[in-house]
Amino acid sequence: DIQMTQSPSSLSASVGDRVTITCQASQDISNYLNWYQQKPGKAPKLLIYDASNLETGVPSRFGGSGSGTDFSLTISSLQPEDIATYYCQQYDTLSMFTFGPGTKVDLK
Amino acid sequence: QVQVVESGGGVVQPGRSLRLSCVASGFTFNSHGMHWVRQAPGKGLEWVSVISRDGSIKYYADPVKGRFTISRDNSKNTLYLQMNSLRAEDTAMYYCAKPRSPGIAAAAVSWGQGTLVTVSS
Repeated sequence: DIQMTQSPSSLSASVGDRVTITCQASQDISNYLNWYQQKPGKAPKLLIYDASNLETGVPSRFGGSGSGTDFSLTISSLQPEDIATYYCQQYDTLSMFTFGPGTKVDLK
Repeated sequence: QVQVVESGGGVVQPGRSLRLSCVASGFTFNSHGMHWVRQAPGKGLEWVSVISRDGSIKYYADPVKGRFTISRDNSKNTLYLQMNSLRAEDTAMYYCAKPRSPGIAAAAVSWGQGTLVTVSS
């Protein structure tokens, strides 16, 4: 099965900071990588699909990149409403869907 | 607008069964695969199962394989998760989610509010 790792597991940043979260797959997953945001007590929200495509309605300060095994989610200018936990998720034909362990982002 | 609403959660003893339901609206239900995803208290997201739009293709995560069964009734716009032989580690919020495109491999774009399952004696 494909394993997903994320780093860091948590981070503190200031409003306006550029924030980058990385996600690594244990095998090549091409661009089958999605990013979700989850706020406490809420359902996850899709931010980025297929590694780099911004979901409709998601602010343009969010961006995704990568292919193969290494991916990243970038928030170009952190806003207070971005405080959340972020998960990557991969798709493959054997293990289907696997989420990363999550990265918790809070304000410094 | 697209809406999915889960129900059926509750407190159940280990070894017993429970059936979750998810009623969908605002989109053509029989044109989309559907997912179940769960989240144990204070833990991360865990994909559980997916079903194709006509119900002919089903996949399960290893921890639930052989115990959980996903199904759907397209005439009722409803997705189900039959959970048997429940264990304490199945305690979680269970979410129903619709992919952003018809295929089962697409990212989950519409999520319900979840239904809480607690397995405890």
